[in-house]
Amino acid sequence: KAGVTQTPRYLIKTRGQQVTLSCSPISGHRSVSWYQQTPGQGLQFLFEYFSETQRNKGNFPGRFSGRQFSNSRSEMNVSTLELGDSALYLCASSLEQSARTDEQFFGPGTRLTVL
Amino acid sequence: AQKVTQAQTEISVVEKEDVTLDCVYETRDTTYYLFWYKQPPSGELVFLIRRNSFDEQNEISGRYSWNFQKSTSSFNFTITASQVVDSAVYFCALSEALKDTGRRALTFGSGTRLQVQP
Repeated sequence: KAGVTQTPRYLIKTRGQQVTLSCSPISGHRSVSWYQQTPGQGLQFLFEYFSETQRNKGNFPGRFSGRQFSNSRSEMNVSTLELGDSALYLCASSLEQSARTDEQFFGPGTRLTVL
Repeated sequence: AQKVTQAQTEISVVEKEDVTLDCVYETRDTTYYLFWYKQPPSGELVFLIRRNSFDEQNEISGRYSWNFQKSTSSFNFTITASQVVDSAVYFCALSEALKDTGRRALTFGSGTRLQVQP
C-alpha cells in the first residue's frame, strides 16, 4: 500500500504570496490532518478533515485554510504569507473518523520557505 | 489545556548503551491516548506506539519498551542496546477531547533528539 504523499516537497515563496499544499492519504483512509512544524513552536495541529468536512481546527489564523475532496485528497492553503510561516507542513491520514484512537500515518512533509 | 513535556532536548549515547526518553503529560480527561513517534532526518513521522489511559501495562517491542505510569503522568520510552539507526527526534504526543468540539487532536511534546554514536 502506498503511503501518504505530499506535494511539493519543497517550496520557496515570498511574503504576501499565497501557497497551496497537497496531500494524498493512504488508500481507504478518510481522515486527513495537517500539522505545522517549526523549530520554535514544534509540532502544532492545524486542522482535520473527514468526508470533505473540517472536523477539528487548531489555533491558527484564518490565513490558513484547507479542504478535502471526495477522493479524500486534501489541500491546505496559506494566504498572505509571512516569514513566520516558514515551516515543515506535515499531513497525516487515519482510517476512522476521529484521530482519538487511531494511529496517524504521516507523509514526508512539504518544507515551505518564505523569503 | 493539555500539555506534553519532553524535558530532554538532546541525548547523546554510544552504540549499545540503553537510553530512556522521558515524557510527562497534563490532562483533565479521564480518557486519553498517548503516542510515541520517531522522526528520522527524512522528516516523516513514524508511529511507534499508542496507549490508552486505561491500559497501564508496560509494553516491550524488540529493543523498545514503554513505561506508562498514571500516578506520575509519565510515559517514558526506553531503547535497549541502542544502534546508530535509532538516531532521530522522538516525539511524545497526547490525544484528548477538544473542549468545544469534543473531537480529538494530537498535542506533541517538543521532541528529544537522540544521537547514537558508533
